[in-house]
Amino acid sequence: NAGVTQTPKFQVLKTGQSMTLQCAQDMNHEYMSWYRQDPGMGLRLIHYSVGAGITDQGEVPNGYNVSRSTTEDFPLRLLSAAPSQTSVYFCASSYSNPLLAGGPGEQYFGPGTRLTVT
Amino acid sequence: GQNIDQPTEMTATEGAIVQINCTYQTSGFNGLFWYQQHAGEAPTFLSYNVLDGLEEKGRFSSFLSRSKGYSYLLLKELQMKDSASYLCAVRGGDTGRRALTFGSGTRLQVQP
Repeated sequence: NAGVTQTPKFQVLKTGQSMTLQCAQDMNHEYMSWYRQDPGMGLRLIHYSVGAGITDQGEVPNGYNVSRSTTEDFPLRLLSAAPSQTSVYFCASSYSNPLLAGGPGEQYFGPGTRLTVT
Repeated sequence: GQNIDQPTEMTATEGAIVQINCTYQTSGFNGLFWYQQHAGEAPTFLSYNVLDGLEEKGRFSSFLSRSKGYSYLLLKELQMKDSASYLCAVRGGDTGRRALTFGSGTRLQVQP
């Protein structure tokens, strides 16, 4: 199993450009999420999905869109890139919803995408 | 909201024991996680505590006291490969506004 994969690994954008960060998992997990990680701050949840066709906003959703047409894929779209979106982006998946009680909701993270917006 | 505090950096010696503390404030506490993250890599799951007490997993143990809003991760027989950041994350929040909040991490440097 490849686990969680993300592409690209690195990306440089100019302010105002749009792009899509790809995320795929082959573990048949229902729950997937996107985080950003900035220096000196914890991982912050951008958007998440509890299954195909169902998405919801996390802590910092502004400027990002997601969709979930299949169980395997969960792309993150930057609509109009801004320097404040310079960050490392991680996609994660889990068997159970890590936000809810009933189990550890252990998350498996992808290798990350390092995005710089100039 | 939720608030998590953990030390920014720690240094320890190979073969020793180190304890990384995490204090938190949250409503509706429902679990605490520890993740390990090597520089430039993805976080990987280490442990999960939801009840008070100690959970042991090999060289790593995690402790939780819900009444004190306190957890620690204990690493025994430190190895050089344990040099990494250790992230504490708390699940909580009120019904309808559940959240999983990560601390900023503790960077552990293991020295020979």
